[in-house]
Amino acid sequence: AQSVTQPDIHITVSEGASLELRCNYSYGATPYLFWYVQSPGQGLQLLLKYFSGDTLVQGIKGFEAEFKRSQSSFNLRKPSVHWSDAAEYFCAVVGTSGTYKYIFGTGTRLKVLA
Amino acid sequence: KAGVTQTPRYLIKTRGQQVTLSCSPISGHRSVSWYQQTPGQGLQFLFEYFSETQRNKGNFPGRFSGRQFSNSRSEMNVSTLELGDSALYLCASNGGTTDTQYFGPGTRLTVL
Repeated sequence: AQSVTQPDIHITVSEGASLELRCNYSYGATPYLFWYVQSPGQGLQLLLKYFSGDTLVQGIKGFEAEFKRSQSSFNLRKPSVHWSDAAEYFCAVVGTSGTYKYIFGTGTRLKVLA
Repeated sequence: KAGVTQTPRYLIKTRGQQVTLSCSPISGHRSVSWYQQTPGQGLQFLFEYFSETQRNKGNFPGRFSGRQFSNSRSEMNVSTLELGDSALYLCASNGGTTDTQYFGPGTRLTVL
């Protein structure tokens, strides 16, 4: 069965520090991969997505993610975190055949220290 | 293009009542999915509608139902509300199968 694992429930970083949020997936083939961000009480905003091609994808707000097929991972990175990045981040996959149902990870809550 | 809109944004109901939430997808999108988000359970998939047909369904009781209209607008209904139904209900639309999902701001339902 498809699954998505975000091993870190909470992460705290200082403003200006680099950030990496982990995401591992389980799927028989290469799925389509997404990262979303959610501010408190709001909907989810798409940060970036990977469908095919270059394994390093750039997103909005200075985020990037790297797809590593050998590790079944799609980690999100940012070189310098801003206080406004404090939010919850969700990794998601959708299969490329079958039911096309989105599977979301449990989320990683990011806290940024001033 | 206008984004996904959800109405109402906030709702307070009492146990036993029923509620209907509405979602208008991005223009041209034919797929609408619904999710329930709670602090304890996270983001859980309720169901997806595509061209007025339910295409996928999550593991929720029959009290949760939905429908989609010919203009792709969707409604979800929860009957006989329970305290545990208090949650943020999110709607997402996409253009088809593996296309990107775009989320609305959600409806915050509180059941007293």
